[in-house]
Amino acid sequence: DVKVTQSSRYLVKRTGEKVFLECVQDMDHENMFWYRQDPGLGLRLIYFSYDVKMKEKGDIPEGYSVSREKKERFSLILESASTNQTSMYLCASSAPRKEKIYGYTFGSGTRLTVV
Amino acid sequence: AQSVTQLDSHVSVSEGTPVLLRCNYSSSYSPSLFWYVQHPNKGLQLLLKYTSAATLVKGINGFEAEFKKSETSFHLTKPSAHMSDAAEYFCVVSDRAGGFKTIFGAGTRLFVKA
Repeated sequence: DVKVTQSSRYLVKRTGEKVFLECVQDMDHENMFWYRQDPGLGLRLIYFSYDVKMKEKGDIPEGYSVSREKKERFSLILESASTNQTSMYLCASSAPRKEKIYGYTFGSGTRLTVV
Repeated sequence: AQSVTQLDSHVSVSEGTPVLLRCNYSSSYSPSLFWYVQHPNKGLQLLLKYTSAATLVKGINGFEAEFKKSETSFHLTKPSAHMSDAAEYFCVVSDRAGGFKTIFGAGTRLFVKA
């Protein structure tokens, strides 16, 4: 019954490493999102994509990039990981024009620690 | 412009007592409203949603919420808390103007005491 899958639950990376967080959904949703979640700050939108090869910056895109080569897969890339990117990362997807009816479907999250 | 305010960052109740998690919103249009729950180290799960049908909405695990337009509120309630309800809860507003105007509240952490 898994619909949005994030490839890793826990990751530990070193400062300066290039990090890939992968998200795959099997619901044929056009929209996909990456959020980070930090205590006291709630969910903050990093990037979103509304179609293959399309991407839009969210509220906090600095230090991140994304890739959407296939409809079902949305990757978040940390070009050079820093300790302030230690966080929980959540991927979500939705169907346009149905988002306001069905909301988002979230993955289980990836807890990234940068040391 | 949209916004959503969860009035309490933490709520603590005893098992078997009622739960009330408060959410106020503002929206320029007729909004859709959602509550999500997040258990520790898990993703967010949809609890319930309001999409302009009945104003009293029932969700999973015995939760319900009432949309009150005059008060711009969408408070989440449950008659009797269970230990398994301990989690973080997010109120979310999404308007009808476009596909990406979805705003998350800051979250309310619910503690349930035995």
